[in-house]
Amino acid sequence: DAGVTQSPTHLIKTRGQQVTLRCSPKSGHDTVSWYQQALGQGPQFIFQYYEEEERQRGNFPDRFSGHQFPNYSSELNVNALLLGDSALYLCASSLFAQGFQPQHFGDGTRLSIL
Amino acid sequence: SQQGEEDPQALSIQEGENATMNCSYKTSINNLQWYRQNSGRGLVHLILIRSNEREKHSGRLRVTLDTSKKSSSLLITASRAADTASYFCATDLYTGGGADGLTFGKGTHLIIQP
Repeated sequence: DAGVTQSPTHLIKTRGQQVTLRCSPKSGHDTVSWYQQALGQGPQFIFQYYEEEERQRGNFPDRFSGHQFPNYSSELNVNALLLGDSALYLCASSLFAQGFQPQHFGDGTRLSIL
Repeated sequence: SQQGEEDPQALSIQEGENATMNCSYKTSINNLQWYRQNSGRGLVHLILIRSNEREKHSGRLRVTLDTSKKSSSLLITASRAADTASYFCATDLYTGGGADGLTFGKGTHLIIQP
């Protein structure tokens, strides 16, 4: 039973470029959330996708956008990259249902901006 | 912004000792969760405590919640070298149910000395 998988594992970009990160949720999960984790900090919620639509969004600018596909996989796109976008980007999946559902995290994509 | 704040930021103890870390949060919550993150990896869900609960146990873990003080503690008993990791508390960002986005604290980095 595959867990959450993210690609690529590492990425180096320069300021002003655009980047796309990918996530495949755990088998059976239908909801994908994205988080940004700066070095030495806790993860910060970017947004969540369910039924191919953005369901919730954290305090991130419009440069951050996403997509969810019919197979529940998801992409995170960041435009006009800034040095401050350097971070570990984590994807988490869960099953949308009433009541508590723990989130399952992938190992992340390490994005470095030069 | 971070909802939860863990204390201490770092903790180093001998194997076999108990480790206690604390979390404070700012707004009303539905539940509070604790996650563990090994270096360079994703987060792993440890335990959840609901707002109407005061204490919960899971194996060597004990979590308490004091909603009047907006604080929680995580106790790890009989620590092992494998417990070395960062520990984060997390609260739901919204109250809409389902698998809401989470707000994390900055974490406590726990080191277990052999």
